[in-house]
Amino acid sequence: AAGVIQSPRHLIKEKRETATLKCYPIPRHDTVYWYQQGPGQDPQFLISFYEKMQSDKGSIPDRFSAQQFSDYHSELNMSSLELGDSALYFCASSWRGKDTQYFGPGTRLTVL
Amino acid sequence: AQTVTQSQPEMSVQEAETVTLSCTYDTSESDYYLFWYKQPPSRQMILVIRQEAYKQQNATENRFSVNFQKAAKSFSLKISDSQLGDAAMYFCAYPYNNNDMRFGAGTRLTVKP
Repeated sequence: AAGVIQSPRHLIKEKRETATLKCYPIPRHDTVYWYQQGPGQDPQFLISFYEKMQSDKGSIPDRFSAQQFSDYHSELNMSSLELGDSALYFCASSWRGKDTQYFGPGTRLTVL
Repeated sequence: AQTVTQSQPEMSVQEAETVTLSCTYDTSESDYYLFWYKQPPSRQMILVIRQEAYKQQNATENRFSVNFQKAAKSFSLKISDSQLGDAAMYFCAYPYNNNDMRFGAGTRLTVKP
């Protein structure tokens, strides 16, 4: 079965640079979620989209923005990167926003 | 606030034996889902099992089963016939407002050969 696809899988950036993470949900899933997992921590919810509209917002910094496109893929844009942004970023998808969230393999971001 | 608590930071089990991981949660909702996710060293977050709160029957997926006690807000995971590949971090999770998946701190499971 098709899974959630995230790209890139690894990303290295310098401080103050920008990064764009992409997420392609499971086919027919219309809801996308973004999570950040720091070292030794559980994942923390950032933001979600249902049918291309923002549906919920968590602890997402103002430097970050995201959107969901007409084909349901989503992009997380991160600007003015800080050392503390180094983490594993997960995208998850579900159907109708009320079902099981299936996670992608994650993008490991390292900020130097 | 909805929270998820896993009181066992680490657990160990002998291969082929059974182990139970504990989880408690807090919610004011009456209808909701609960999940267990597994995170092996690859860091991928893999769904293990799902429980719907309105169903009284405990969910089962092959060697994995849950003991869901709604009144006590308890949701433990039992792994039978443990295998080396079961070694991972296990997270109990609750979807707050059907969006924000709230995770416990995790339990690191070690499987001894």
